[in-house]
Amino acid sequence: QKEVEQNSGPLSVPEGAIASLNCTYSDRGSQSFFWYRQYSGKSPELIMSIYSNGDKEDGRFTAQLNKASQYVSLLIRDSQPSDSATYLCALEGGGGNKLTFGTGTQLKVEL
Amino acid sequence: GAVVSQHPSWVICKSGTSVKIECRSLDFQATTMFWYRQFPKKSLMLMATSNEGSKATYEQGVEKDKFLINHASLTLSTLTVTSAHPEDSSFYICSARRELNTEAFFGQGTRLTVV
Repeated sequence: QKEVEQNSGPLSVPEGAIASLNCTYSDRGSQSFFWYRQYSGKSPELIMSIYSNGDKEDGRFTAQLNKASQYVSLLIRDSQPSDSATYLCALEGGGGNKLTFGTGTQLKVEL
Repeated sequence: GAVVSQHPSWVICKSGTSVKIECRSLDFQATTMFWYRQFPKKSLMLMATSNEGSKATYEQGVEKDKFLINHASLTLSTLTVTSAHPEDSSFYICSARRELNTEAFFGQGTRLTVV
């Protein structure tokens, strides 16, 4: 089992809809979780961080963490074409000071 | 968010030469910096983790003598690709974080092409 798993997509949603991106992980000791967005040919940029169970909202983005079920999700409300990108889930785990990334989910927001 | 500057953003070099890439945290002190490479449409592959003043920790399969990492200060880390070959052509990205359990911020990336 991979340490961090994401569906590669592409996930297609119409403009204005809610996009739901999911991530599961295997290391129960993980404490810190992050969502990054990466446009083609660019480096990742941080969208959200979440450290405790529950929801965390920031503008159109909501991160959800459930440590018991070992998943973290990202909801994007009122999706825009500019949200089209690859979304990377990352967590601090592996017993060391490093982030482990999933392979990313490609999101396409269609007009 | 914090700013991480990576330079150069792209470079073309001849086979057999060495290339140095710089990564600077501009408005914070980074206890740890990370170096990744990424092939087209693939995920990030961690190459090494470097802590200021100590030797870098390389991931399995990454050649230490080929990818030299120096983290001389809390704001600067460098990656030198030595004796570059065409298969080293890739997108190299650095990231930096202040401390454990905090966000990591990425540089703009360096696209290396070896001809």
